[in-house]
Amino acid sequence: AQSVTQLDSQVPVFEEAPVELRCNYSSSVSVYLFWYVQYPNQGLQLLLKYLSGSTLVKGINGFEAEFNKSQTSFHLRKPSVHISDTAEYFCAVSVRNRDDKIIFGKGTRLHILP
Amino acid sequence: DAGVIQSPRHEVTEMGQEVTLRCKPISGHNSLFWYRQTMMRGLELLIYFNNNVPIDDSGMPEDRFSAKMPNASFSTLKIQPSEPRDSAVYFCASTERRGYGYTFGSGTRLTVV
Repeated sequence: AQSVTQLDSQVPVFEEAPVELRCNYSSSVSVYLFWYVQYPNQGLQLLLKYLSGSTLVKGINGFEAEFNKSQTSFHLRKPSVHISDTAEYFCAVSVRNRDDKIIFGKGTRLHILP
Repeated sequence: DAGVIQSPRHEVTEMGQEVTLRCKPISGHNSLFWYRQTMMRGLELLIYFNNNVPIDDSGMPEDRFSAKMPNASFSTLKIQPSEPRDSAVYFCASTERRGYGYTFGSGTRLTVV
């Protein structure tokens, strides 16, 4: 079975500083990988996804993530965060060529400090 | 497109009452998912449909929960009878194709007192 581990439940970072949110997945087969963002009192919104091809994926709001197959990781990065990036971020995985089901990690809450 | 539409946004009900949550997926999306979000358990997949047919309901917590999708534009999640531990935010999501990712609704915040 597939699983997703987000190593940090909370990450505080100063405004305009870089940030990395860590994600590791477990799967014996090829997967699709996603990052979602959830702003307070809202649903989840797709930030970016890795399906195939280039391992560096660029998403909305200046975020990017890198797929590392050997380390089974899909870490999310942004070079300079803004106060508006305060939200919860979810890493997710689904099995390639099987079904549409997506398994989510427990989330990482990003706190932007002024 | 208006996105995935859920109703109501908030529901407060007494223990033992029946609760029905509603979802309208994006037109053309053929898979629909119901998730529950709590602080303790995070996001849990309850059930999902493909072309209106339930594919995987292994996440439905118990017989008090049921879900239907009578047509491509409407789904319901029913809890009968409701209990305080059902209090959570319930999300509906849809997708048109494997690998595209989901579009989520804004959720229904359910409080059972």
